[in-house]
Amino acid sequence: KAGVTQTPRYLIKTRGQQVTLSCSPISGHRSVSWYQQTPGQGLQFLFEYFSETQRNKGNFPGRFSGRQFSNSRSEMNVSTLELGDSALYLCASSLAFQGKDTQYFGPGTRLTVL
Amino acid sequence: LAKTTQPISMDSYEGQEVNITCSHNNIATNDYITWYQQFPSQGPRFIIQGYKTKVTNEVASLFIPADRKSSTLSLPRVSLSDTAVYYCLVGRYNTDKLIFGTGTRLQVFP
Repeated sequence: KAGVTQTPRYLIKTRGQQVTLSCSPISGHRSVSWYQQTPGQGLQFLFEYFSETQRNKGNFPGRFSGRQFSNSRSEMNVSTLELGDSALYLCASSLAFQGKDTQYFGPGTRLTVL
Repeated sequence: LAKTTQPISMDSYEGQEVNITCSHNNIATNDYITWYQQFPSQGPRFIIQGYKTKVTNEVASLFIPADRKSSTLSLPRVSLSDTAVYYCLVGRYNTDKLIFGTGTRLQVFP
């Protein structure tokens, strides 16, 4: 079974621009979560989607948004990019929203903001 | 989610067994314990998950004492490719967000 895929793998943007990242979960998985990882802050939760609805949200500004489609694929958007948004953005999928289902991570998208 | 405490770093040599202990004093009854491995610039990779006693799979063992206030990830006969950061997480993941601590940076030497 194919794993979680994320596109693009690498991205370079300039301050003020916006960016959209894509995540395709493992087939059959309906929950998708997004995380930001930086050397200083470590891995931080952004938000989680299940059945096209945002179920949980981390402590990030409104510039960070996401959505999930009917096929469970998810996109994350960051508007008005800042230098501090440079990070590895990770997507994880799991079978269901509630329960003990394990999250499986994709390879991440490395975003560099210049 | 229960807070976890792990050693920041550990060193080992190839062929040795490595045990990484995680403390989670406030673990709740419904919480599971999961370990992830992460290589630089890659997403965390699920290693093992357990609730109590001992769990073993093809890559690791997880030992959980009766009080569940700690857990130990055991990696048998490590190799250079096991050099990575190992995270211990406790919780019911999809009713709350995953909270990653600082993890344990394992360095394996030849």
